[in-house]
Amino acid sequence: GAVVSQHPSRVICKSGTSVKIECRSLDFQATTMFWYRQFPKQSLMLMATSNEGSKATYEQGVEKDKFLINHASLTLSTLTVTSAHPEDSSFYICSARDRYGGAFGNQPQHFGDGTRLSIL
Amino acid sequence: DAKTTQPNSMESNEEEPVHLPCNHSTISGTDYIHWYRQLPSQGPEYVIHGLTSNVNNRMASLAIAEDRKSSTLILHRATLRDAAVYYCILREWGGTSYGKLTFGQGTILTVHP
Repeated sequence: GAVVSQHPSRVICKSGTSVKIECRSLDFQATTMFWYRQFPKQSLMLMATSNEGSKATYEQGVEKDKFLINHASLTLSTLTVTSAHPEDSSFYICSARDRYGGAFGNQPQHFGDGTRLSIL
Repeated sequence: DAKTTQPNSMESNEEEPVHLPCNHSTISGTDYIHWYRQLPSQGPEYVIHGLTSNVNNRMASLAIAEDRKSSTLILHRATLRDAAVYYCILREWGGTSYGKLTFGQGTILTVHP
């Protein structure tokens, strides 16, 4: 089945550091990738939709200068948390849509295993 | 986005069937019904999806009401590995949303040995 690889799985760093998270579709091309954030005991919250070769679309309330998204190829999207602070500590999850999977609604969305970000 | 309503939690015994309900009274004609589950500290996992007809796959069955205002995910024989949060989500057929998924709170399924 379709696999989405997310790296790293866990990051611990000091406040003020910028952190990059990679999301790769391993066996399919992904024109669209999604980035979610999940706080403890809460559901996933969509942060942004990333389309290959164009600027990401951010959900309301998500700071685009804080969370930089790059989707330069059909198999790779990156999320950079700039100048991270303790309140940015969370579980970040990416997902991808298969370019050749058919209508958006009629195909599964494939998720990575998430990145646990801890800012000290 | 059309919304869904699920019970906060459900319990089951191992090797028994589990029926997880979902209400989506404002579903539109082009919305697909998707189910995902999330185990602790992992990303969500696709379970099943459908439009109008009941669907079966190796993981589960999806029963969709005739008026499409509700659906039920059926796990035929629950195992301890099925303990997870189950999300019922409506997904647009196409459009400018690019198929994004909006997660609700889901149903926490506990499976007892």
